Amino acid sequence: QQQVKQSPQSLIVQKGGISIINCAYENTAFDYFPWYQQFPGKGPALLIAIRPDVSEKKEGRFTISFNKSAKQFSLHIMDSQPGDSATYFCAASKAAGNKLTFGGGTRVLVKP
Amino acid sequence: NAGVTQTPKFQVLKTGQSMTLQCAQDMNHEYMSWYRQDPGMGLRLIHYSVGAGITDQGEVPNGYNVSRSTTEDFPLRLLSAAPSQTSVYFCASSEQSLHGELFFGEGSRLTVL
Repeated sequence: QQQVKQSPQSLIVQKGGISIINCAYENTAFDYFPWYQQFPGKGPALLIAIRPDVSEKKEGRFTISFNKSAKQFSLHIMDSQPGDSATYFCAASKAAGNKLTFGGGTRVLVKP
Repeated sequence: NAGVTQTPKFQVLKTGQSMTLQCAQDMNHEYMSWYRQDPGMGLRLIHYSVGAGITDQGEVPNGYNVSRSTTEDFPLRLLSAAPSQTSVYFCASSEQSLHGELFFGEGSRLTVL
């Protein structure tokens, strides 16, 4: 049973459009929610992260929205570019340390 | 700056064979971990270590062993490979701090026939 559920599994968006990826979690002990970006043939790399004391965090074209009561969080990629084509993973962890529980991943393709 | 280095990048095994996936990091990170990546399943934690001499099980530890004799190295051993262990394996490290950023290697693709 996946503790972090991610949707959609894949996404195609036109250049300049908005990519939206959603995640839901069950464990209320989770208190750290990062997103990782993975290019083909590479390992994942941290993109952006949020803690539940804020509802939104923005870094450039990437924004995390967090809804604590619904136990959901999402990644928005504004003005999507072909270079954003990658697999994105949401994740969550408890206060105790670095053990991350990952969602199933979303493959994003940005068409020029 | 090498970061996290995994070897080999590709490996084909027959059922029942054993092998070791190597992982080394040069960032003096205390925390190291192994994940496997399967389509639709994301990354699942196999084993992790919070320092030399200390290891613990993750979400899917069966069929895998680890050891941590030095801060730099964290090998993953498959004792008797099974087709269900066909996957891409990632090693990651981070500082032993609250919610430290994980730095991943480039992965090892394993096929068990």
